[in-house]
Amino acid sequence: GAVVSQHPSRVICKSGTSVKIECRSLDFQATTMFWYRQFPKQSLMLMATSNEGSKATYEQGVEKDKFLINHASLTLSTLTVTSAHPEDSSFYICSARASWGANTEAFFGQGTRLTVV
Amino acid sequence: GDSVTQMEGPVTLSEEAFLTINCTYTATGYPSLFWYVQYPGEGLQLLLKATKADDKGSNKGFEATYRKETTSFHLEKGSVQVSDSAVYFCALSDNTNAGKSTFGDGTTLTVKP
Repeated sequence: GAVVSQHPSRVICKSGTSVKIECRSLDFQATTMFWYRQFPKQSLMLMATSNEGSKATYEQGVEKDKFLINHASLTLSTLTVTSAHPEDSSFYICSARASWGANTEAFFGQGTRLTVV
Repeated sequence: GDSVTQMEGPVTLSEEAFLTINCTYTATGYPSLFWYVQYPGEGLQLLLKATKADDKGSNKGFEATYRKETTSFHLEKGSVQVSDSAVYFCALSDNTNAGKSTFGDGTTLTVKP
């Protein structure tokens, strides 16, 4: 089946620094990738939709200057948390769709646990 | 907008008990429906899916039927095991909206031996 690899799985960074998270589709091309954030014991909230070769579409309330998304190729999207603060600590999950249209599913990465100290 | 409502948890069952986790949805188009499972500290794994009305998704003893008339996709398993303890998310993907997924709040299942 389709595999999405997310890296790193865990990262601890100091307050004020930036952290980059990678999401790769290993065996398929993904024109669209999604970034979600999950707070402890809560559901996944969509942060942004990442389209290859164009600017990401951010959900309401998500700071685009803080959460930089780049989708430079059909197999890679990156999320950079800039000037991270403790309140950015969370579980970040990406997903990728194998094709756009009916009857397709999104394949999820393993998630990245970010802790800002 | 689209929404998914899941039965509130947590749910605690004894091993071999019958499991039902209710899920209802609201969508403007014709969504695909999914159940995902998340084990502690891990990402999401697709458990099962259904892409059109009356489809039944099944996997590892779990099953759910896409009921358009009641806009429901309840998850069931006849005999749970301790290893089924996890958080279960019901989700929909609106095929007319570039494939965004909308998730329910999740239901924590604990199975005791």
